[in-house]
Amino acid sequence: GQQLNQSPQSMFIQEGEDVSMNCTSSSIFNTWLWYKQDPGEGPVLLIALYKAGELTSNGRLTAQFGITRKDSFLNISASIPSDVGIYFCAGNAGGTSYGKLTFGQGTILTVHP
Amino acid sequence: DVKVTQSSRYLVKRTGEKVFLECVQDMDHENMFWYRQDPGLGLRLIYFSYDVKMKEKGDIPEGYSVSREKKERFSLILESASTNQTSMYLCASSLSGGNEQFFGPGTRLTVL
Repeated sequence: GQQLNQSPQSMFIQEGEDVSMNCTSSSIFNTWLWYKQDPGEGPVLLIALYKAGELTSNGRLTAQFGITRKDSFLNISASIPSDVGIYFCAGNAGGTSYGKLTFGQGTILTVHP
Repeated sequence: DVKVTQSSRYLVKRTGEKVFLECVQDMDHENMFWYRQDPGLGLRLIYFSYDVKMKEKGDIPEGYSVSREKKERFSLILESASTNQTSMYLCASSLSGGNEQFFGPGTRLTVL
């Protein structure tokens, strides 16, 4: 099936630093989503992208839908300790997929105070 | 706000037992999904349902079955639990035609 390659697998940063992670696919997606999962909880939707080239912000988070429709990235500016968690990208190929998502492997973010 | 609840946060079962995991959503969503999450593998789709009594296999359906008798409830069944089914199980729901899935808190299942 479709696969998403998410990188990096993990990041260790100091509080205040900016963070960047990305997701690439071998096939085209019509929608890109970014989720965050806190320890012991379910993923929570951060940003949804619906159009190639779209750049969307949510507070300190910014995500972009790649122009080729095969990639997306997420930036976090001025990181804080509560940014710790696992970040997942997800894509939907459209058509008759019933809203099925393909998920990346996740990026584990650790923020040192 | 969308609320997705799962019947248990933690569950310990023995090999060979029949296990039921239940998921309920309160936003009248048509689509419901069951995933398992394992370190380094992300979320993998087990089964999904786009309507009452309708079900479709996901990427890893072997060893699992599902039931959707009511719109708000989607159950995952492990007919005979095995140790390789020890995992975090996540339920999600979305609107028909929508891509934004909303997740429950997860059930961490350990099979001994």
